[in-house]
Amino acid sequence: KQEVTQIPAALSVPEGENLVLNCSFTDSAIYNLQWFRQDPGKGLTSLLLIQSSQREQTSGRLNASLDKSSGRSTLYIAASQPGDSATYLCAVGTGANNLFFGTGTRLTVIP
Amino acid sequence: NAGVTQTPKFRVLKTGQSMTLLCAQDMNHEYMYWYRQDPGMGLRLIHYSVGEGTTAKGEVPDGYNVSRLKKQNFLLGLESAAPSQTSVYFCASSYVAGGHEQYFGPGTRLTVT
Repeated sequence: KQEVTQIPAALSVPEGENLVLNCSFTDSAIYNLQWFRQDPGKGLTSLLLIQSSQREQTSGRLNASLDKSSGRSTLYIAASQPGDSATYLCAVGTGANNLFFGTGTRLTVIP
Repeated sequence: NAGVTQTPKFRVLKTGQSMTLLCAQDMNHEYMYWYRQDPGMGLRLIHYSVGEGTTAKGEVPDGYNVSRLKKQNFLLGLESAAPSQTSVYFCASSYVAGGHEQYFGPGTRLTVT
């Protein structure tokens, strides 16, 4: 069974800093990898989707990379803002119509 | 375009009661999913559907049933609720499982006493 780990569980940074969130997975035979944002008491918002054949995806201040062979993905957030405060979830897609989720990194950006 | 919607948003049940959670999507997606989210654990797949009239079990299907009578709707049923089913339930949909993004609804917070 695919296991997805996100470290750290929580992170606080001052506004304006660049930061990296980490995601690791145990089975490199993945279909894709998706990063989500979840605000307290809310649903999940898709941020970036990386197909297994891709190395990275970018959207605005966000950049996600994928290294299947080492079982790792990173989410880079540039010039962080207080509005970026949320929990960030990494999910690995398999061919079996399933996403395996990590438990998330709770990010706080301090003004 | 409402995306993925879920009804109800909150519900409190007594042990042994039954209920149905409704998920609706207006994006013409073929695939739909039900997940549960518990503290300290990642979201886990309960059941999914690859098209109208089809359903399949996910990682944690016990105690739940589902139906997909219409392409736009996916229902999750609890026949006899148990305290272990206290959770936040999320519905999602996608065009092609694995190949495309999953879009999530806002969630249903269920408490079983």
